[in-house]
Amino acid sequence: AQSVTQLGSHVSVSEGALVLLRCNYSSSVPPYLFWYVQYPNQGLQLLLKYTTGATLVKGINGFEAEFKKSETSFHLTKPSAHMSDAAEYFCAVSPTSYDKVIFGPGTSLSVIP
Amino acid sequence: DVKVTQSSRYLVKRTGEKVFLECVQDMDHENMFWYRQDPGLGLRLIYFSYDVKMKEKGDIPEGYSVSREKKERFSLILESASTNQTSMYLCASSPLDRRSGNTIYFGEGSWLTVV
Repeated sequence: AQSVTQLGSHVSVSEGALVLLRCNYSSSVPPYLFWYVQYPNQGLQLLLKYTTGATLVKGINGFEAEFKKSETSFHLTKPSAHMSDAAEYFCAVSPTSYDKVIFGPGTSLSVIP
Repeated sequence: DVKVTQSSRYLVKRTGEKVFLECVQDMDHENMFWYRQDPGLGLRLIYFSYDVKMKEKGDIPEGYSVSREKKERFSLILESASTNQTSMYLCASSPLDRRSGNTIYFGEGSWLTVV
């Protein structure tokens, strides 16, 4: 069965520091991979996704993620954290475009002034 | 922009009441979903539908039913609400389109409190 692991349910960074949110998945085939963000009291919004092609994917708000097949990872990074980045982040995987999307448990990001 | 609209943001219902959560999407998506979100448990799929009048159980369907009479509308029904159904409910949709890579679009959520 497919699964998604996000290391660290809570991550705190200082404003201006590097953001690194970790995601590992299990999949028998190269999957579709997603990062979603949820701001307080809102639904989830797509940050970025990997389908095929270039393994470094750029998303909105300065975030990017790199698909590493050998490590079965899809970590999310941002060079410099901003206060507005404080939110819940969900990694998700789908084995194919027709399979259910499986969400990770989420990582809550706090940004300290 | 894709828009998924959930009719109620905040509801308070009594135990035993029948509750309807309504969701409408405006992008002609084939797939629609209902998730439940609880602290520490992430998102859990309740039901999904891949076509009008079609539905499939997700991971936690007990205590819930759904209705999809029109392509754009997907309703979640709690036949007899219980306090353990107090939660945030998220509706979502996605196109049946390989090029989209299975991207899911979410509504803003409905906070349900059962007292």
